[in-house]
Amino acid sequence: GENVEQHPSTLSVQEGDSAVIKCTYSDSASNYFPWYKQELGKGPQLIIDIRSNVGEKKDQRIAVTLNKTAKHFSLHITETQPEDSAVYFCAASTAGNMLTFGGGTRLMVKP
Amino acid sequence: DAEITQSPRHKITETGRQVTLACHQTWNHNNMFWYRQDLGHGLRLIHYSYGVQDTNKGEVSDGYSVSRSNTEDLPLTLESAASSQTSVYFCASSDGGGGRDTQYFGPGTRLTVL
Repeated sequence: GENVEQHPSTLSVQEGDSAVIKCTYSDSASNYFPWYKQELGKGPQLIIDIRSNVGEKKDQRIAVTLNKTAKHFSLHITETQPEDSAVYFCAASTAGNMLTFGGGTRLMVKP
Repeated sequence: DAEITQSPRHKITETGRQVTLACHQTWNHNNMFWYRQDLGHGLRLIHYSYGVQDTNKGEVSDGYSVSRSNTEDLPLTLESAASSQTSVYFCASSDGGGGRDTQYFGPGTRLTVL
């Protein structure tokens, strides 16, 4: 089955700096890669996703890049703000809509 | 607004008891999923359903069961609760394939088995 590795497990940045979280996947058939943000005591919330026919997608301060050849994808957050502090999860999905999640990254943005 | 709800939000039970966690969505989504979240393991798939009367086992299905009698609900049952099943449980739903496969998560149920 699919295996998703996520790094780093914790990330601390200064407000205004950029943050990058990286994930690798094992199944070359995976074609959908969402990123979720989870705040304390809440369920994961989708923040951005990318499909295998696209190399990059951007939404305001958030961007995701995908390298199908190397089987890795990354989340980039620019101009970080304290409210960006949360746990972020990457995931990969093949046909059948089943998500395999990475282990999560705790992002801390220091004012 | 359409939403996905879970109940109860917190549950404490004893080893050996049967426990049922409820999940209800009002999006009319075909697909529904149950995950458990544990420190060091992220989110792991327990069971999933692609429609009424359809259920499938996920990565960590032992000790759990689900049933899908209507589109809106996918209850998760722990037949005989064990301490290893202490976890936070999340339900999710999605419309289906063809670019409509985004999964939307509920708020979670924190289950403690003593």
